[in-house]
Amino acid sequence: GIQVEQSPPDLILQEGANSTLRCNFSDSVNNLQWFHQNPWGQLINLFYIPSGTKQNGRLSATTVATERYSLLYISSSQTTDSGVYFCAVADSWGKFQFGAGTQVVVTP
Amino acid sequence: ETGVTQTPRHLVMGMTNKKSLKCEQHLGHNAMYWYKQSAKKPLELMFVYSLEERVENNSVPSRFSPECPNSSHLFLHLHTLQPEDSALYLCASSQEGTGANVLTFGAGSRLTVL
Repeated sequence: GIQVEQSPPDLILQEGANSTLRCNFSDSVNNLQWFHQNPWGQLINLFYIPSGTKQNGRLSATTVATERYSLLYISSSQTTDSGVYFCAVADSWGKFQFGAGTQVVVTP
Repeated sequence: ETGVTQTPRHLVMGMTNKKSLKCEQHLGHNAMYWYKQSAKKPLELMFVYSLEERVENNSVPSRFSPECPNSSHLFLHLHTLQPEDSALYLCASSQEGTGANVLTFGAGSRLTVL
């Protein structure tokens, strides 16, 4: 199956800082999504981004499908951005594989 | 009710109990999933019901038994579980066969096996 690697595994940020999270995948995909899991366990879809660039407020994402990676940018981080960020990709059968996640802690 | 609803949110059970987790989606999606999330591990796909066909992860023990009576409801029946089965169980749904197959998750059921 497709291998999904996320980096860094942990990230500590001061409020207001910018950061970049990376997701590498081992094969061609036609579906890539970024999720945020809050401290209570709820997973929220941030972006559906199999290719190209999208922005939503302080978050943006870029996927370069030909080079098999995606980046999630957090700008002007806030304490509410804390949590775990997951990248998930779907193979040709449409079955999703998740990365191990990046644990983000934003300190006041 | 909107989105994906999971009940119960918390469950504590002994190893000899039988219990069930319930998931309901109000999005008109045609695929539903069970994921297991243990501490410090990636989400693990347990079962998928897609277009009325079940796909499962062969490493899931038989003490977990899924049931999907229709496209809106999904159950996970639990029987003689082990302490290592304690985890967050997440249900998700999506609309397969469309251009943007986006997963929508429920809030999860946190299971503790004593």
